[in-house]
Amino acid sequence: SAVISQKPSRDICQRGTSLTIQCQVDSQVTMMFWYRQQPGQSLTLIATANQGSEATYESGFVIDKFPISRPNLTFSTLTVSNMSPEDSSIYLCSPQKGYEQFFGPGTRLTVL
Amino acid sequence: AQSVTQPDIHITVSEGASLELRCNYSYGATPYLFWYVQSPGQGLQLLLKYFSGDTLVQGIKGFEAEFKRSQSSFNLRKPSVHWSDAAEYFCAVVDRGSTLGRLYFGRGTQLTVWP
Repeated sequence: SAVISQKPSRDICQRGTSLTIQCQVDSQVTMMFWYRQQPGQSLTLIATANQGSEATYESGFVIDKFPISRPNLTFSTLTVSNMSPEDSSIYLCSPQKGYEQFFGPGTRLTVL
Repeated sequence: AQSVTQPDIHITVSEGASLELRCNYSYGATPYLFWYVQSPGQGLQLLLKYFSGDTLVQGIKGFEAEFKRSQSSFNLRKPSVHWSDAAEYFCAVVDRGSTLGRLYFGRGTQLTVWP
């Protein structure tokens, strides 16, 4: 398994600003996934971050809006840029071990 | 296209009653199969998984799921529901042929438990 911590756990932000979410894992993992869960919805994959390479983004998500860093095998960040109320969601990082993915409590973001 | 279907958006059961949550998938080959639970304000917790072998898998919290290849289904069951089982349940799959190993999620089933 894996223990995941995310910071911040929640935040309220003004539109037009940016927020960087940090994800720390207690062990080394090669692949890290970032998901968004809009209110009352399922999880949508934003991008996949492999250490040492550029993140791969899903359709509808772009690097300028959601830049990701993966400086080492236990840490990653996701930035939500130029936020609008539509970005209000829970953001979750998910490290992968084998074919299993693990989830932390996520970051609950509200954009006013 | 790959898809995961959870046909029930919301299920209500009485405490002590049995539970079955449905999940169907559409893939060319049998994927890896998962059930996750999300309690209010929490992240996702893995209940159980199926990779191969015995088609009836046991998970945590008294849950089990049965893989049926002929029906492309992986339904979650519990013989006696507790009030603490009230949560959102997500079925998810990983395409065995994918080098990426990303999860595809169903839309979720919200479980309400009456006392």
